[in-house]
Amino acid sequence: AQKVTQAQTEISVVEKEDVTLDCVYETRDTTYYLFWYKQPPSGELVFLIRRNSFDEQNEISGRYSWNFQKSTSSFNFTITASQVVDSAVYFCALSEAERTSGSRLTFGEGTQLTVNP
Amino acid sequence: NAGVMQNPRHLVRRRGQEARLRCSPMKGHSHVYWYRQLPEEGLKFMVYLQKENIIDESGMPKERFSAEFPKEGPSILRIQQVVRGDSAAYFCASSPRPGGKTGELFFGEGSRLTVL
Repeated sequence: AQKVTQAQTEISVVEKEDVTLDCVYETRDTTYYLFWYKQPPSGELVFLIRRNSFDEQNEISGRYSWNFQKSTSSFNFTITASQVVDSAVYFCALSEAERTSGSRLTFGEGTQLTVNP
Repeated sequence: NAGVMQNPRHLVRRRGQEARLRCSPMKGHSHVYWYRQLPEEGLKFMVYLQKENIIDESGMPKERFSAEFPKEGPSILRIQQVVRGDSAAYFCASSPRPGGKTGELFFGEGSRLTVL
């Protein structure tokens, strides 16, 4: 069975601070995909990134960066110079690519990030 | 280039009534997934459908819940005789292919069900 753990339930930072959201996963598959989604107060799910298990290169997109470490089964997400608009719940998710039943995602419980001015 | 459309966005029902949530996938997508988000929790998989077929319903409660994705029209998630514990946000997602190779899912904005 697969599992995603986001140990940080809530994080509060002051604007312009850097913040890292942790994600640890468990899967028996050798091929899988990892995701991060943002859920702002309005409630919709905003896709941020998808990473497959064979690509361990770190990725940077503007103020966002992701650190994928297969050896520790972690896929951490860092926001640099945080802004108030980054306040949201962030979900990490895992999809086993070899499933026959499509793209079923297993989500973590989410981390509530609050960025204070 | 419409995304995944869900309606209603908000639905209020009294205990014992029926709730019907609709999801129109993105154009060209024939695979639909329903997820439920209980308050203060992450999303949990409910059911995966292709046109006219239920592929995986392992996440659906055994009673009162059903889903369909007819040849024509949107996918419907139906909850009969709602109870307060059904209050949640229900998200629909679609993909253009089974997604096993890409894990690519596009989510709607969710339907928020409140049971009084």
